[in-house]
Amino acid sequence: GAGVSQSPSNKVTEKGKDVELRCDPISGHTALYWYRQSLGQGLEFLIYFQGNSAPDKSGLPSDRFSAERTGGSVSTLTIQRTQQEDSAVYLCASSFRKASPLHFGNGTRLTVT
Amino acid sequence: SQQGEEDPQALSIQEGENATMNCSYKTSINNLQWYRQNSGRGLVHLILIRSNEREKHSGRLRVTLDTSKKSSSLLITASRAADTASYFCATDGGFQKLVFGTGTRLLVSP
Repeated sequence: GAGVSQSPSNKVTEKGKDVELRCDPISGHTALYWYRQSLGQGLEFLIYFQGNSAPDKSGLPSDRFSAERTGGSVSTLTIQRTQQEDSAVYLCASSFRKASPLHFGNGTRLTVT
Repeated sequence: SQQGEEDPQALSIQEGENATMNCSYKTSINNLQWYRQNSGRGLVHLILIRSNEREKHSGRLRVTLDTSKKSSSLLITASRAADTASYFCATDGGFQKLVFGTGTRLLVSP
């Protein structure tokens, strides 16, 4: 079966532009996470969706960042008015249920020029 | 903060040697997981240990958990060049979201 799919794999954008990153989780997985990883660093938690519960947005670094998960499946992470410090790899992961092992996508490498 | 910390930050060994990485965390947990990352892209799940377990094995991997010290260790025995990667622990903060540690970069030289 298909794994977690993220698109685009690479995105170069100009400072001030908005970007949308997409994540297609594994079918049937109730939990979906977004993380951010800067070069050579650990994973920074951004947002967590679990079933129909309200998402845990506690990791979003500013109000320029938002995410939604439609129909309990596909998720989109939106960054408005991008800044150079937003440059990083954005990783999406899903799991069958809360606290189960995560399946990661290959990430979107975002470069803000 | 729930985030764990791994040490060492970097580890360099020869093929055939054992590699030990440690993870410390701050909150109570339901389980602790170890992941591996190659080339700065997606992580791969290695092993999960529950809070009521003290040790778990999977192939050349051995994980221990000491909840009284809020720490875990990952041992890779008879390491191979292909084990070169970054290794991360992740904790669930007591059945909450999974938060990752800072990672250990392992280099295994032939």
